[in-house]
Amino acid sequence: NAGVTQTPKFQVLKTGQSMTLQCAQDMNHNSMYWYRQDPGMGLRLIYYSASEGTTDKGEVPNGYNVSRLNKREFSLRLESAAPSQTSVYFCASSATFSNQPQHFGDGTRLSIL
Amino acid sequence: DQQVKQNSPSLSVQEGRISILNCDYTNSMFDYFLWYKKYPAEGPTFLISISSIKDKNEDGRFTVFLNKSAKHLSLHIVPSQPGDSAVYFCAASDPWSGGGADGLTFGKGTHLIIQP
Repeated sequence: NAGVTQTPKFQVLKTGQSMTLQCAQDMNHNSMYWYRQDPGMGLRLIYYSASEGTTDKGEVPNGYNVSRLNKREFSLRLESAAPSQTSVYFCASSATFSNQPQHFGDGTRLSIL
Repeated sequence: DQQVKQNSPSLSVQEGRISILNCDYTNSMFDYFLWYKKYPAEGPTFLISISSIKDKNEDGRFTVFLNKSAKHLSLHIVPSQPGDSAVYFCAASDPWSGGGADGLTFGKGTHLIIQP
């Protein structure tokens, strides 16, 4: 019962490098999300995809891009990493966009030097 | 401006007693509320939710209460067990917000410690 799978689990980048975080879900969910969590903070929404073929900005989208590759996969790309993007990134999915619990992966811990 | 507030960063409760975690919100458009539990190095795990048309929802040892007039919700865990030690996040959703910033709005979390 994999649920939401994120790769990689850990990554260290240098400032200016690019990287794509991968996320896949096997629950046949329509909606997918990317959040970041910083120390002492709650999770903040970066981007979301309400359904296959659509993506929208969340609360903190600057410096990121996303791709909803198919119903299962939703990737997050950092084109030019900055130290302020050091964080733990969580991917989530839900059956529909509204009034359904989101189910989370175990996160990607990203450090940018 | 925090729309979902958990004012207690930590809470210590004896095993077997009731744990009560509190959450306040400011956005009157929120109509769906959730509690998540998080262990270190893991993702948040969904615990229980409540729609704004209800004031109480139970699932085993977990009960969530919603007071819409006070914009307050709480999670009760009875009886508390050692495995309940974790960080608990309150989250809320406004499905009609539009224009971006949809998805869940999270509080900063409360670290619950169950003492033997």
